[in-house]
Amino acid sequence: QVQLVQSGAEVKKPGSSVKVSCKASGGTFSRYTISWVRQAPGEGLEWMGRFIPSLDSANYEQNFQGRATITADKSTSTVYMELSSLRSEDTAIYYCARDLRSPGPLDMWGQGTMVTVSS
Amino acid sequence: DIQMTQSPSTLSASVGDRVTITCRARQSISNWLAWYQQKPGKAPKLLIYKASSLENGVPSRFSGSGSGTEFTLTITNLQPEDFATYYCQQYNTYWYTFGQGTKVEI
Repeated sequence: QVQLVQSGAEVKKPGSSVKVSCKASGGTFSRYTISWVRQAPGEGLEWMGRFIPSLDSANYEQNFQGRATITADKSTSTVYMELSSLRSEDTAIYYCARDLRSPGPLDMWGQGTMVTVSS
Repeated sequence: DIQMTQSPSTLSASVGDRVTITCRARQSISNWLAWYQQKPGKAPKLLIYKASSLENGVPSRFSGSGSGTEFTLTITNLQPEDFATYYCQQYNTYWYTFGQGTKVEI
């Protein structure tokens, strides 16, 4: 049974960076893509980008191109999402999710990581 | 990006009701649409994919229909645990977009 377990909450200053991890357990890591989705307080869901293990590459939604970096460590089955030049509007819960048939539905989600950007 | 619009934004209902949520795409997405349920403080949960296919373990009172640009999620015999926010998501392209959500409240 695959599970996605994310790192803990973070509090960051404006202008800094944050790196959130998502560890996959119980499955074959290289078989599926991992997407990142964020949700600002009281708001809807926003897709940010994905990591494709079979290609060892990532692609990004235009709004995050140049500011988000998604990488992976295959040896630990962990995907990372780093967001730089943080601003208050980046305060959100960040989720990783399995993208089994990419493009496709997100059928399994991590528990979410709260990132707060505040001076 | 393909814009997705849900209606209504909020829906008031009672246990046992039949409710319908609509999701419209700005351009045709064939049947590449998913529905999610999200409860407060929890991650979204996949309910339906490919517009009408029920995810394993999801109760049969949930159903989806539609193709092209207009889609619906229907919940029959609404149960207390169904009060939540529902989102549609298109995956016609590699660049996913979500609807803004529909809150189903008592």
